[in-house]
Amino acid sequence: KAGVTQTPRYLIKTRGQQVTLSCSPISGHRSVSWYQQTPGQGLQFLFEYFSETQRNKGNFPGRFSGRQFSNSRSEMNVSTLELGDSALYLCASSLQGQGYEQYFGPGTRLTVT
Amino acid sequence: AQSVTQLDSHVSVSEGTPVLLRCNYSSSYSPSLFWYVQHPNKGLQLLLKYTSAATLVKGINGFEAEFKKSETSFHLTKPSAHMSDAAEYFCVVSDTTGNQFYFGTGTSLTVIP
Repeated sequence: KAGVTQTPRYLIKTRGQQVTLSCSPISGHRSVSWYQQTPGQGLQFLFEYFSETQRNKGNFPGRFSGRQFSNSRSEMNVSTLELGDSALYLCASSLQGQGYEQYFGPGTRLTVT
Repeated sequence: AQSVTQLDSHVSVSEGTPVLLRCNYSSSYSPSLFWYVQHPNKGLQLLLKYTSAATLVKGINGFEAEFKKSETSFHLTKPSAHMSDAAEYFCVVSDTTGNQFYFGTGTSLTVIP
């Protein structure tokens, strides 16, 4: 089975711009979660989607949004980029339910200048 | 509410000596617990998981962890460290639905030749 894929792998944007990141989960996985990883804050949960619906949301401003398509692929959008948004953005897919592990993609490294 | 505490932010061991990475969790129910590893500039890889079966869980690359309910701990061990074990390790607990993961702050493992 193919793993979780994320595109692009690297991205450089300017403050004020917006960006869209993409995640394709493992075939058959309907849950997709997004995380932001920075040296100072560690791994922080952004949101989780299941069957095109957002089920859980972390404590991030409204500039961070996402969606999931009928094929379970997910996109994350960040509008009005700030320098502090520079981070590694990780996507993870999972079968639903407690005890099921999440499988992570390689991440998208976003640099905001 | 669920949370995990990784007691050491950094651990250094010599190659061939045992590894111990400590994790304590807080949960109001019987949790699912995971250890993930992240090598530099890579995504997270599952090492092992506990889901209320055997309390001693064996994972990949010779790692294992023991679930101790009385101590609310889930420490990760390996009998003999290898240079390739140098990485960041994360202890994770999931919520009752398994839809949201709570990450520890990570332990950076250095292996000295």
